[in-house]
Amino acid sequence: QSALTQPASVSGSPGQSITISCTGTSSDVGGYKYVSWYQQHPDKAPKLIIYDVNNRPSGVSNRFSGSKSGNTASLTISGLQVEDEADYYCSSYTSSTTLVVFGGGTKLTVL
Amino acid sequence: EVQLLESGGGLVQPGGSLRLSCAASEFTFSSYAMSWVRQAPGKGLEWVSGVGERGISTYYADSVKGRFTVSRDNSKSTMYLQMNSLRVEDTALYYCAKPGDSSSWYGGGFDSWGQGIVVTVSS
Repeated sequence: QSALTQPASVSGSPGQSITISCTGTSSDVGGYKYVSWYQQHPDKAPKLIIYDVNNRPSGVSNRFSGSKSGNTASLTISGLQVEDEADYYCSSYTSSTTLVVFGGGTKLTVL
Repeated sequence: EVQLLESGGGLVQPGGSLRLSCAASEFTFSSYAMSWVRQAPGKGLEWVSGVGERGISTYYADSVKGRFTVSRDNSKSTMYLQMNSLRVEDTALYYCAKPGDSSSWYGGGFDSWGQGIVVTVSS
């Protein structure tokens, strides 16, 4: 069981928007600004798409946005494109001895 | 461009040992904490271990605590993961990862990842 809870799957049509939630506790998501999101295509290494809750690395499309409210972080992808179909993982710094925790991942299907 | 290259993986029997290496280049290695993250076949990402910039501070996931040891040699820009008492459930693709912010364990997220190295624990 992962430390952070994500839906197993979400789907959307091209052009639509979707939101993936990531629920933790006050010891991780709710307590720190260090929440990140990663995109992973099959047989590829994860790619950072959001860091520190709502910041995009250079080169990442502005269709990706992040937010946080209490113990829940969210990733929103607007204007869905076929190439957005991938697995998405949230992650947070944690005050526990493990330092960093990941969510179980969400498979995005673009219909 | 940041480069992270893992090596040392392979097939090992349960109870055996392996040492992974992560060779870094194109950034000031000694200014960054580093981490290992693994992914079991068909499963999600799991943070495994982290080492501070000077190699003094180390952290481990509960699943590997007491069996794995992380270290680094800044003169060689290399991080290591000594894995002992390996179990079938340690079978995974192991990535090394760098945070975006120097002098921070996770500020900026993991902005650079290696290509991963496969570790298979099986009899």
